Amino acid sequence: GAGVSQSPRYKVAKRGQDVALRCDPISGHVSLFWYQQALGQGPEFLTYFQNEAQLDKSGLPSDRFFAERPEGSVSTLKIQRTQQEDSAVYLCASSSRVTGTPKEYTIYFGEGSWLTVV
Amino acid sequence: QKEVEQNSGPLSVPEGAIASLNCTYSDRVSQSFFWYRQYSGKSPELIMSIYSNGDKEDGRFTAQLNKASQYVSLLIRDSQPSDSATYLCAVNEDDKIIFGKGTRLHILP
Repeated sequence: GAGVSQSPRYKVAKRGQDVALRCDPISGHVSLFWYQQALGQGPEFLTYFQNEAQLDKSGLPSDRFFAERPEGSVSTLKIQRTQQEDSAVYLCASSSRVTGTPKEYTIYFGEGSWLTVV
Repeated sequence: QKEVEQNSGPLSVPEGAIASLNCTYSDRVSQSFFWYRQYSGKSPELIMSIYSNGDKEDGRFTAQLNKASQYVSLLIRDSQPSDSATYLCAVNEDDKIIFGKGTRLHILP
């Protein structure tokens, strides 16, 4: 596609509910990133995929957070038993860069999924 | 995780003046440095990337990098009201990009 597409754009979840956020990266981009951005803060790294391999998940805040990219394209970020502190914008970004290649590259962000837990 | 530090602002600059935004980072081996602009309610968009020491100019924007001092800055010349936004400094840590908390810039008409 022309850009990174995320859905849903807005989600209101009741505390304890499970949610799934979808990211469709730019066609051909091998690298995919998830970030969490709370109000007034910068994006916080969550996890990173190269194709279907999850190479870094050090930023996932708890075991309630799970991400997958089974076919190396679309990715889903799942949050189980949502809590109020999970309320944030979840940003997906993609890049054409492959690990081990020169570090001159750009990551492109989607519009984000705004999650509110009530 | 290494850190990227920015003054949160707000930084108020008169229209037409130069806005100067600063950022320091802690990872000495970082090689890629980025400035993103984020309007309220929107996602970050890349303004500049810089990989070598010195200055890089693109239109009204100049990025400056000093790896010895672990310092990167963004200058915006002839500031316009449309430049009012949050500016995010970002640095690579291995293969991931780490962001600062951002500096809010307000251009005064």
